[in-house]
Amino acid sequence: LAKTTQPISMDSYEGQEVNITCSHNNIATNDYITWYQQFPSQGPRFIIQGYKTKVTNEVASLFIPADRKSSTLSLPRVSLSDTAVYYCLEVGTGFQKLVFGTGTRLLVSP
Amino acid sequence: DTGVSQDPRHKITKRGQNVTFRCDPISEHNRLYWYRQTLGQGPEFLTYFQNEAQLEKSRLLSDRFSAERPKGSFSTLEIQRTEQGDSAMYLCASSGGQDNQPQHFGDGTRLSIL
Repeated sequence: LAKTTQPISMDSYEGQEVNITCSHNNIATNDYITWYQQFPSQGPRFIIQGYKTKVTNEVASLFIPADRKSSTLSLPRVSLSDTAVYYCLEVGTGFQKLVFGTGTRLLVSP
Repeated sequence: DTGVSQDPRHKITKRGQNVTFRCDPISEHNRLYWYRQTLGQGPEFLTYFQNEAQLEKSRLLSDRFSAERPKGSFSTLEIQRTEQGDSAMYLCASSGGQDNQPQHFGDGTRLSIL
């Protein structure tokens, strides 16, 4: 099964920019890269999706280099409420890529 | 905002009982997915539907697990003869009909087996 790799945990302080990187060693041509945020006792929440270069929305930016072997989720000026688990996922044809992994636990401290 | 709705949010039952969970997807979404999530792990894909057709079910954990989406709208996930190892969060997600469209998740049903 295709599986992404991301750090198990990260620590940050309020107001800092946080970058979480995911490796996509088996990404396919048709795959998009999607990031989710999950709080305890809630389902994952869609944050952002991209195919290449840079995508930005009101909450985050996603950087994908030309070779698409990695992606970086950038959270500007994090707050305590950004403490959560973040997952990267490759989304493409079929179900085989629907493998979430263990995610990155981000802890934001005051 | 009519997101993905799951019912019940919590279910406690005795080992050996059957349980059924319901998922109502976002209305314009024709794909529906079921996942299981255990503590400290990411969601684990179980099955998915395109409209009423179940396109993949090989990842259902055993023959005690079954899912339906009879009219292409809501879906149910049933677990028969529950076991202690079935205790987990069961998540439903929906998406548009194209492969690259992101999934939107409900807040899950937490199952506890006594």
